[in-house]
Amino acid sequence: SQQGEEDPQALSIQEGENATMNCSYKTSINNLQWYRQNSGRGLVHLILIRSNEREKHSGRLRVTLDTSKKSSSLLITASRAADTASYFCATDSSSNTGKLIFGQGTTLQVKP
Amino acid sequence: DAGVTQSPTHLIKTRGQQVTLRCSPKSGHDTVSWYQQALGQGPQFIFQYYEEEERQRGNFPDRFSGHQFPNYSSELNVNALLLGDSALYLCASSPSTHRGRFGNTIYFGEGSWLTVV
Repeated sequence: SQQGEEDPQALSIQEGENATMNCSYKTSINNLQWYRQNSGRGLVHLILIRSNEREKHSGRLRVTLDTSKKSSSLLITASRAADTASYFCATDSSSNTGKLIFGQGTTLQVKP
Repeated sequence: DAGVTQSPTHLIKTRGQQVTLRCSPKSGHDTVSWYQQALGQGPQFIFQYYEEEERQRGNFPDRFSGHQFPNYSSELNVNALLLGDSALYLCASSPSTHRGRFGNTIYFGEGSWLTVV
C-alpha cells in the first residue's frame, strides 16, 4: 500500500523557475526521504529529514516537514533541464524499521 | 567508494521460470532491502535482510525469497514467474545503528529490469 501521496502528479516549468512538490502521508514517521529517479534508472537520494526537524537545505533543494499536517514539500530553486526526472517521497515509520513506504511520485519536466 | 551495485541490469524470462537477482551493498552497510517498482508506480517494499535473516516482509507471496550472505551481499529469488512480475527490482542498503536500529539514509542501486514473457 502507498503511504504517501505526491502532488502534483506532473509538473512542467521553464528553466530558471522554481519547482515545488508536495507529499502527504498517513501514519507517524521517524523520517522522510526524498529521491530523484531519471527515466528507467535507480533512485538517487536527495535529502533525509527527521520528524523533529522542520526544514533542511542542500544546494538548490529545500525540504520542509510539517508533522502536524503529515506533509512535506520539496522546493527546487532555479531549475535546470537536468532536473527533469521523477521525484518521490518515502517515509520510515515511527517504529524506525528502515522500511520505506513510497508515494506515486511527481514527474517534473524542465524545458530549456 | 562504490555505491549499491546490482546485477544483471536487464533480463528476460519466460512465465514459470525462476530468476535470481544480486546486490552488493554500499561499503559499511549491513542492511539490505529489496523493492519492486512497476512502470509508473512508486517502489513497493518486498523484504529486508539484516544479520543474514529476513527481518521484515511486505505484501508479497512466498514465490519471492531472499538471502543475505556474511559479506552483507544479498540475492532476491522469484519462482514461478508471472507476467505481472515484470518490473524494475531495486536493492537498497543502509547501516544499522546502535543495537540494530535503523533510521538512516537509505541508498538505492540502479536496479534490475525484469521482463517476463
